[in-house]
Amino acid sequence: SQKIEQNSEALNIQEGKTATLTCNYTNYSPAYLQWYRQDPGRGPVFLLLIRENEKEKRKERLKVTFDTTLKQSLFHITASQPADSATYLCALGFSGGYNKLIFGAGTRLAVHP
Amino acid sequence: GAVVSQHPSRVICKSGTSVKIECRSLDFQATTMFWYRQFPKQSLMLMATSNEGSKATYEQGVEKDKFLINHASLTLSTLTVTSAHPEDSSFYICSARGLAGGLFYNEQFFGPGTRLTVL
Repeated sequence: SQKIEQNSEALNIQEGKTATLTCNYTNYSPAYLQWYRQDPGRGPVFLLLIRENEKEKRKERLKVTFDTTLKQSLFHITASQPADSATYLCALGFSGGYNKLIFGAGTRLAVHP
Repeated sequence: GAVVSQHPSRVICKSGTSVKIECRSLDFQATTMFWYRQFPKQSLMLMATSNEGSKATYEQGVEKDKFLINHASLTLSTLTVTSAHPEDSSFYICSARGLAGGLFYNEQFFGPGTRLTVL
């Protein structure tokens, strides 16, 4: 069966450390993968997109890797801050058609001062 | 960045009534709009995709006669939940993709969501 798995347990880390979130998928062949941030009661906010032929993407304190052999993406936040506390969603994107996204359930990150 | 708004942000209605939710792209032309539903601590589930001026494409298991979608212009799509029941209570989120400043953006820009509670 097709699955997207993100760690359902909250990730608690200390301010200043690097947070690493994982997204694994099964029986999908995405053309690209996106990461979103979602705060409680709000819509997701786009963070980064990485294509299947890219191994790594960076944006300020964010870094995403994409391994199509392992069917895994890692999302890193360096020098984390309490303001980074939120739920982070990964989404698989597919070319053709309407380019719809399939979302994981998200991982809640809590950064403690 | 592209801005998408939704109205209302919260709505409470009685069972059996219909509720309309609006989704607007404020500074770009939304050639495609998506409607999602999200239950607590669960992922966003795509309900339907609509292109401006065309009929919406519904995902498997989503009743098109219950969730009416209209995408009449490049800046507005509406979702009407007809004869709402308590099990329809959820967080409904729209997203849009399209043209801004002459460039086409492949990523989806999300609205803030609408919390629907059916009593």
